[in-house]
Amino acid sequence: QQQVKQSPQSLIVQKGGISIINCAYENTAFDYFPWYQQFPGKGPALLIAIRPDVSEKKEGRFTISFNKSAKQFSLHIMDSQPGDSATYFCAATPGGSNYKLTFGKGTLLTVNP
Amino acid sequence: DGGITQSPKYLFRKEGQNVTLSCEQNLNHDAMYWYRQDPGQGLRLIYYSQIVNDFQKGDIAEGYSVSREKKESFPLTVTSAQKNPTAFYLCASSIPGTAYGYTFGSGTRLTVV
Repeated sequence: QQQVKQSPQSLIVQKGGISIINCAYENTAFDYFPWYQQFPGKGPALLIAIRPDVSEKKEGRFTISFNKSAKQFSLHIMDSQPGDSATYFCAATPGGSNYKLTFGKGTLLTVNP
Repeated sequence: DGGITQSPKYLFRKEGQNVTLSCEQNLNHDAMYWYRQDPGQGLRLIYYSQIVNDFQKGDIAEGYSVSREKKESFPLTVTSAQKNPTAFYLCASSIPGTAYGYTFGSGTRLTVV
């Protein structure tokens, strides 16, 4: 059972464009939603995260939008740059004593110069 | 600098052999995790440990074993019972009760030859 569904599987964007990656979850107990960025041959690194008590969080060019009623959240990368080319994973956890992260399957983003 | 060290970076194993992947952290995190990454499959949880001398199976524990004798160390053994061990293995750690401190190592790529 896939608890976090991520789309698209791959995405190609031109430099300066907006990259949008979407995730949907099923478990209403999830209360923490991080995004990770992974470069080839490296481990994922935390990019930005949100809790369901806010609908949007922005850090620089990266924004998370959260829709609690639809059980969906998305990552927007504004002014995408070739250096943003990486695999992006959304994740979710119920928090509390059960804090294991459940990951989406990832999106391979390519930003063309 | 605090972080997670995984070794070796590349590992080759003959069929029928057990092999142990090392994971050491100096972040003083109580919780540690092992994930397996396959192309298009995202990150799947193998085992996790919330405290020394205690660990739990994740979603794909069959063919793997772990130990947690020290807070800093969480080695993973890939046994001969694991039918398809070729993958990228990631170790992570976190502060119990929160996913904020979820830090990954740089991974070990295991190949069965």
